[in-house]
Amino acid sequence: EDQVTQSPEALRLQEGESSSLNCSYTVSGLRGLFWYRQDPGKGPEFLFTLYSAGEEKEKERLKATLTKKESFLHITAPKPEDSATYLCAVQATDSWGKFQFGAGTQVVVTP
Amino acid sequence: GAVVSQHPSRVICKSGTSVKIECRSLDFQATTMFWYRQFPKQSLMLMATSNEGSKATYEQGVEKDKFLINHASLTLSTLTVTSAHPEDSSFYICSASGTGFFNSPLHFGNGTRLTVT
Repeated sequence: EDQVTQSPEALRLQEGESSSLNCSYTVSGLRGLFWYRQDPGKGPEFLFTLYSAGEEKEKERLKATLTKKESFLHITAPKPEDSATYLCAVQATDSWGKFQFGAGTQVVVTP
Repeated sequence: GAVVSQHPSRVICKSGTSVKIECRSLDFQATTMFWYRQFPKQSLMLMATSNEGSKATYEQGVEKDKFLINHASLTLSTLTVTSAHPEDSSFYICSASGTGFFNSPLHFGNGTRLTVT
């Protein structure tokens, strides 16, 4: 069974304090790994797709990396507006398009 | 591009009544849409896969007679919670892929907060 585990559950950062979020996954075959940002009371907002080990994607202060077992979302010099829950999801090759989501990491960045 | 609109954003209903939630893809055609349910501080739980012009595919444990899904066009899917009870109170979110079904990210609506009193 496909599994996605995110850690930590919650992360409190000072503005400018860089950190990383982890997404560990177990799938029979990976079609893609996706990162989303979710604000309270809103639907998830797409950030990145990673397809193969070694791949990296960047957007502003966020950088996502992928290995064969896990993905990291690095937040560099975060600002308060980066506060959100970050979700990781995998799409397996035998899932017929379905996504398996992790429980998310809630990030709070204080000024 | 790839905007998904969901309505209503919030609904409060009495126990025993039915509630319809609409999900529209505004700038693309979505042959497949997905309906999720999310509990506080928990993962998104896939309820069903909605296919245009055919019956929805429900995940194990999801009652198809309670959660009726209709996908009558390439831009509209609806979820009707029938005979709602307080335990159905939750955050419901729809999603759809843009061009290319596989490998494409899901784009989500802004969700519907359902409260059953």
